Amino acid sequence: EAGVAQSPRYKIIEKRQSVAFWCNPISGHATLYWYQQILGQGPKLLIQFQNNGVVDDSQLPKDRFSAERLKGVDSTLKIQPAKLEDSAVYLCASSLGGGVGRETQYFGPGTRLLVL
Amino acid sequence: AQSVTQLDSQVPVFEEAPVELRCNYSSSVSVYLFWYVQYPNQGLQLLLKYLSGSTLVKGINGFEAEFNKSQTSFHLRKPSVHISDTAEYFCAVSGSNTGKLIFGQGTTLQVKP
Repeated sequence: EAGVAQSPRYKIIEKRQSVAFWCNPISGHATLYWYQQILGQGPKLLIQFQNNGVVDDSQLPKDRFSAERLKGVDSTLKIQPAKLEDSAVYLCASSLGGGVGRETQYFGPGTRLLVL
Repeated sequence: AQSVTQLDSQVPVFEEAPVELRCNYSSSVSVYLFWYVQYPNQGLQLLLKYLSGSTLVKGINGFEAEFNKSQTSFHLRKPSVHISDTAEYFCAVSGSNTGKLIFGQGTTLQVKP
């Protein structure tokens, strides 16, 4: 079974530029998550989708971050414009069912973003 | 609100020695508890999880954890570590109605030969 795929793996941009990350979850998984992991910290949830609807985006900085999950499969996370403090690893995860707390989340390898 | 505290940022240990990584949580509702491992430049991999029932949970790679409700702890243990266990370990908590994981700061396990 293929795991969660993410691209690109690494990205370097200058502040005020825009950037987009792509995630393909495990086939059949209904729930998709985007986490931000700043160096030295644990991951923090940015947004959770169930199928193509948003379940939780309370910690997404909506003035600069946006995310979509078209057709309930792939997802993209965009930052526009980027700030220095956005430098982090962006992790995508997926789970099989409705995103309740007991489910196991499967993580992709992450996209490492450096904003200069 | 839920929170997780990992009490040690770094734990150095010699190969074949036992290890314990400590985790405390705070929550006003029932929770599910998880331990994930992150190897360099990789995503997180589930080691084990506590959902209900027996408080001693066994996971992959010889790890186990014990849920202690009165002390609100979920410490991770391994009786004999290997060099390959060197990684970052994260404790996490989620509520019953949401998949949102709240992570601790992480503990770096450094296994020395």
